[in-house]
Amino acid sequence: GAVVSQHPSWVICKSGTSVKIECRSLDFQATTMFWYRQFPKQSLMLMATSNEGSKATYEQGVEKDKFLINHASLTLSTLTVTSAHPEDSSFYICSAREVFPTGGRDSTPDTQYFGPGTRLTVL
Amino acid sequence: GQNIDQPTEMTATEGAIVQINCTYQTSGFNGLFWYQQHAGEAPTFLSYNVLDGLEEKGRFSSFLSRSKGYSYLLLKELQMKDSASYLCAVREDNYGQNFVFGPGTRLSVLP
Repeated sequence: GAVVSQHPSWVICKSGTSVKIECRSLDFQATTMFWYRQFPKQSLMLMATSNEGSKATYEQGVEKDKFLINHASLTLSTLTVTSAHPEDSSFYICSAREVFPTGGRDSTPDTQYFGPGTRLTVL
Repeated sequence: GQNIDQPTEMTATEGAIVQINCTYQTSGFNGLFWYQQHAGEAPTFLSYNVLDGLEEKGRFSSFLSRSKGYSYLLLKELQMKDSASYLCAVREDNYGQNFVFGPGTRLSVLP
């Protein structure tokens, strides 16, 4: 199936620093990528929708100045957590939307494929 | 508003069959997805329904009734590795931009 990578897989940082998380679609082009946050034993919460070449659309309650999203190419989106605080500690997951499956891949059109996630711990 | 409900936890025995239900009330509907998520990992795609009826994929089947706002995921011949959370998600719009996830059902498979 379609492969999405995230880097880093885990990061520990000090309070007040910024952390950048990369999300890449490895074998398909993704005009749209999504960023989710997941707290322990809870479901995914959509933070923002990232469209290549345009500004991200943030969900209500998500601070766009704190969570900077850049979708610079059809295969890369980045999420930067600025001035991180302990309450930002969470599991961050990106997904990429494959509109037209390629290479004979048996996949559902227009579904989302998830990256492996990044566990952020802010001390 | 948006509301997706799933049971919080379920327990079943290895080799058995389990059905995980999902009910939804969303502003739009353009497909329902089931994902499996093991602890500490990202979700993986299991199945997709957009029309009423049953979709079968090996040991997993998913059913949809749009008029009732209801879906279920059926897991047969349960294996220990099936212990995971199962997320129901509704795609609300035609452009596929907005997925709404349910709270997830934590399934424990016992020997």
